[in-house]
Amino acid sequence: DTGVSQDPRHKITKRGQNVTFRCDPISEHNRLYWYRQTLGQGPEFLTYFQNEAQLEKSRLLSDRFSAERPKGSFSTLEIQRTEQGDSAMYLCAGGQGTDTQYFGPGTRLTVL
Amino acid sequence: KQEVTQIPAALSVPEGENLVLNCSFTDSAIYNLQWFRQDPGKGLTSLLLIQSSQREQTSGRLNASLDKSSGRSTLYIAASQPGDSATYLCAVGGSARQLTFGSGTQLTVLP
Repeated sequence: DTGVSQDPRHKITKRGQNVTFRCDPISEHNRLYWYRQTLGQGPEFLTYFQNEAQLEKSRLLSDRFSAERPKGSFSTLEIQRTEQGDSAMYLCAGGQGTDTQYFGPGTRLTVL
Repeated sequence: KQEVTQIPAALSVPEGENLVLNCSFTDSAIYNLQWFRQDPGKGLTSLLLIQSSQREQTSGRLNASLDKSSGRSTLYIAASQPGDSATYLCAVGGSARQLTFGSGTQLTVLP
C-alpha cells in the first residue's frame, strides 16, 4: 500500500458530461503527478504539481482538462464535455526527495 | 521527444528460471529510471529506482542496471515464481521527474 488513494475507483458517464476525480497523496508528498493509461499501453504524463503550483502540463492535456491542488494537499482532475476517447485509467502519483513515485490504484473512466 | 521501448512485449517462462527484461530509451539526458510492476486492473508498484549517476540497484531477487550512454536498462529476475506474473513497466524521469513509460513486458511464470 503506497498510501495514495483515488476516488472514485470506477466512473461510467455519458458523452458530453463533466467528471471530476480526486487524489489524496500522503502528507509528505510535495510533488503530485497525473497520468493516463489506455489498454495495453504504459501511462502517459498529463500534469505535475510542486506543492500547490502546477509546474508542467503535457500537450495531451487539452482545454477540456483542468487540474488543481489547493493548499498543496489533495488534487482534483476535471474533464469537461467528455468524449469516448477519454476512456482510460487515470493514475495519480505522489513523490518527494528520492524521486520515487508512489502510485494510487487509479480511476477507471468509461465514456459511453 | 523521449521514447521508451520494452522488449519482449510478452514472455512466458517455467518457474525457477532466471530472466531478463529489456528497456531502451532514445534520449540519454535522463534524471532517473524506474521499474514498476502492474497487476491486472491495478495501479503501479515501484520496484527499483536508479539515479542517472548510478549503474545498478538490487532488491531481493531483482537487479536493475542502467547504461545511460547506450540508452539501455535491464531488469534481472532470479529464480522466478508464479507470483512474479504481472506486467513490468520501465519509465525514465525527465527534468521535472515526470516519467515517460514503455508499453511494458507481460510476464507469465508457469508453475
